[in-house]
Amino acid sequence: KAGVTQTPRYLIKTRGQQVTLSCSPISGHRSVSWYQQTPGQGLQFLFEYFSETQRNKGNFPGRFSGRQFSNSRSEMNVSTLELGDSALYLCASSVIQISNEQFFGPGTRLTVL
Amino acid sequence: DQQVKQNSPSLSVQEGRISILNCDYTNSMFDYFLWYKKYPAEGPTFLISISSIKDKNEDGRFTVFLNKSAKHLSLHIVPSQPGDSAVYFCAASKLGGSQGNLIFGKGTKLSVKP
Repeated sequence: KAGVTQTPRYLIKTRGQQVTLSCSPISGHRSVSWYQQTPGQGLQFLFEYFSETQRNKGNFPGRFSGRQFSNSRSEMNVSTLELGDSALYLCASSVIQISNEQFFGPGTRLTVL
Repeated sequence: DQQVKQNSPSLSVQEGRISILNCDYTNSMFDYFLWYKKYPAEGPTFLISISSIKDKNEDGRFTVFLNKSAKHLSLHIVPSQPGDSAVYFCAASKLGGSQGNLIFGKGTKLSVKP
């Protein structure tokens, strides 16, 4: 069974631009969560989607948004990029709506110049 | 406010010895705890978990201990191997509630020396 895949793996953008990251969960997994990892803050929860609905959201500004499609694939979008948005963005999937064992993808490394 | 804390950013251990990684939490609503292991350029990999109804869970060389009264958990690796060198994240969540996310600590970098 294929794992969680994320595209692209690496991305370089400039301040003010916007970016869209993609995540394909493990087949059969319906819950997708997004996390931001930075050296100083560790992994911080962005949001979670289940059955195309955002169920839970972390403490991030409205510039961070996401969505989930009917095939459970998810995208996250960051508008008006800031230097501080440079981070590793991780996607995790789990089988059911409330599951504590999440399977992570390799992440997308975003660099904002 | 950090609800899950890993106060040691790094730990160095000799191969064959025991590695003990610690984690503290502040939210008494947490009732499920997990450890993840992360290598550079890869996503975190689930290692072991424990429910609050238990105080110990063992899986091969890995054992997690939970002390609910102290709001403290620890991961023991015995014996430690060089391949165990990675960043270890402690995470917590609430079972059965409306929260579907994990709260992570900032991680402890373990180095196992041959």
